[in-house]
Amino acid sequence: QQQVKQSPQSLIVQKGGISIINCAYENTAFDYFPWYQQFPGKGPALLIAIRPDVSEKKEGRFTISFNKSAKQFSLHIMDSQPGDSATYFCAASKDNFNKFYFGSGTKLNVKP
Amino acid sequence: DGGITQSPKYLFRKEGQNVTLSCEQNLNHDAMYWYRQDPGQGLRLIYYSQIVNDFQKGDIAEGYSVSREKKESFPLTVTSAQKNPTAFYLCASSLGSGSKTQYFGPGTRLTVL
Repeated sequence: QQQVKQSPQSLIVQKGGISIINCAYENTAFDYFPWYQQFPGKGPALLIAIRPDVSEKKEGRFTISFNKSAKQFSLHIMDSQPGDSATYFCAASKDNFNKFYFGSGTKLNVKP
Repeated sequence: DGGITQSPKYLFRKEGQNVTLSCEQNLNHDAMYWYRQDPGQGLRLIYYSQIVNDFQKGDIAEGYSVSREKKESFPLTVTSAQKNPTAFYLCASSLGSGSKTQYFGPGTRLTVL
């Protein structure tokens, strides 16, 4: 079964708006939650990541909100720009082991 | 110029033929990974290697094989036993155990005709 569920599948946001992508997980052993950004024809690149001991992490316009009790985490992109148009993947891993479980991806389109 | 290279970018093969995808990294990373990406399904782990001469199956290893004879190289062979090989294949690497950041290559799009 899918270890990490991601929604929505696609998202259209106006320039300057807030993009919100959500992920949910089942395994409470997960201890690392990264978000990856992928442009067409390219490999994913790490955007931002969080560990479950904090509820929020911010890097520039990108923020991860983490709700441990609900087993959910989300990516917020403030002041969304057309250059942010890409596919975003959430992921989760556990222990020191580097096996990642990826969400199904969200295709973001920021309209000028 | 450090990074991960995958070649070729596009690959076409006839059904029933084995094909090998190349992955090379010059980041001095111990761990390397192969993922398959299909539309709407995210990334699924095929094989991974934590150290030279050692590798383990991921979630969808059937029909694939790998080798790790050198630290910098982790080739993936898609065999004729793989029932639906057409996909985008991504190689990644990380420093190793305890390091959570994976760096991805540009990918190889394999089309089986």
